[in-house]
Amino acid sequence: EAAVTQSPRNKVAVTGGKVTLSCNQTNNHNNMYWYRQDTGHGLRLIHYSYGAGSTEKGDIPDGYKASRPSQENFSLILELATPSQTSVYFCASGGLGQGADERLFFGHGTKLSVL
Amino acid sequence: QQKVQQSPESLIVPEGGMASLNCTFSDRNSQYFWWYRQHSGEGPKALMSIFSNGDKKEGRFTAHLNKASLYVSLHIKDSQPSDSALYFCAVSANSGTYQRFGTGTKLQVVP
Repeated sequence: EAAVTQSPRNKVAVTGGKVTLSCNQTNNHNNMYWYRQDTGHGLRLIHYSYGAGSTEKGDIPDGYKASRPSQENFSLILELATPSQTSVYFCASGGLGQGADERLFFGHGTKLSVL
Repeated sequence: QQKVQQSPESLIVPEGGMASLNCTFSDRNSQYFWWYRQHSGEGPKALMSIFSNGDKKEGRFTAHLNKASLYVSLHIKDSQPSDSALYFCAVSANSGTYQRFGTGTKLQVVP
């Protein structure tokens, strides 16, 4: 089974502070994604990457930056955290291919509270 | 922008019963459809995919797709308490483009 590991599992931050969420995958997948999950909204895409050095904006990128320094690692950065960014964040990886290769593998999530 | 809506928001079915989950999407270019399941405290896990119109069966799970009607559904036969979870449909327009997720349906299977 493909493995995606997120850290930390829980984070409490102060308004205006900087937060970095980390994700590591051992699947050798090209694509990695950051989603946030909120009741009533499902999962919404923040940023994604097609490979090391690349980042792309998803549907709700405002207030977030992303970094993909290597095939294995993908970070989500909140430079100035706000209470509206309180949420559960999920990282996922997926192969660029046909059919079953489109399956996404998710980490366990990071619960972020911004006070 | 693609909108993906799911209904009902929540569903209670008796153990051994049939659960039916619905998903509508707005982009007629959509090609690839996935169902994911998320148990409490975990990340979503892919259940099954469907790419062609009609039905696809995998064990107790059957997905149905009607692209012309912008509709995909998931039916769970002989529901078990372990099926209690949050279910998402995910839609993408082309292979390799990112998946947009629906709002989710919370399924509870009661003994």
